[in-house]
Amino acid sequence: DTGVSQDPRHKITKRGQNVTFRCDPISEHNRLYWYRQTLGQGPEFLTYFQNEAQLEKSRLLSDRFSAERPKGSFSTLEIQRTEQGDSAMYLCASSLEGDNSPLHFGNGTRLTVT
Amino acid sequence: AQSVAQPEDQVNVAEGNPLTVKCTYSVSGNPYLFWYVQYPNRGLQFLLKYITGDNLVKGSYGFEAEFNKSQTSFHLKKPSALVSDSALYFCAVRDMGTDKLIFGTGTRLQVFP
Repeated sequence: DTGVSQDPRHKITKRGQNVTFRCDPISEHNRLYWYRQTLGQGPEFLTYFQNEAQLEKSRLLSDRFSAERPKGSFSTLEIQRTEQGDSAMYLCASSLEGDNSPLHFGNGTRLTVT
Repeated sequence: AQSVAQPEDQVNVAEGNPLTVKCTYSVSGNPYLFWYVQYPNRGLQFLLKYITGDNLVKGSYGFEAEFNKSQTSFHLKKPSALVSDSALYFCAVRDMGTDKLIFGTGTRLQVFP
């Protein structure tokens, strides 16, 4: 079990630039979630996929944010025209379908917008 | 709407002493509750969950949690704390419509020698 993998671990970008993060879930997991965590806060839900279908998007996910999971395996989260307020840890998690299944998290991508 | 509250920002305990990290929940229907731990610059690690059944749930690393329906609480406990338990702890409740987890604000546990 290689766990959930996220790339890159750290990203520093200038305001206005676009960034893309990648998440590789545990292979047999059909659900994939994106969360955002700022310092001193709990993770906040952004969006989730069941296989390749994006089933829910939080109101936190502005038009500058887009997520994809084209083949139902890995996922990407893109932020366009980054702002300083986008600086945060972006966490990916995966799980099997079902209420009993816990989410398994990756180590996150820390984004710093200067 | 489902939510959880963690009333303590930080808990300090001496090594070897029992520890409790508090969590209360607000849900419609039966709650599905979880505890996660986060070490610096890492993702969250699953500790334990309550779905149904026994009110005392045992999890990883010697942790357990007690579900109390009348008090709407799900406190995390450990009989004897270790310095290595020092970390950030999050309580979470499952949203029944989407299966996403809704997290509390976290409690920093500091275990001192």
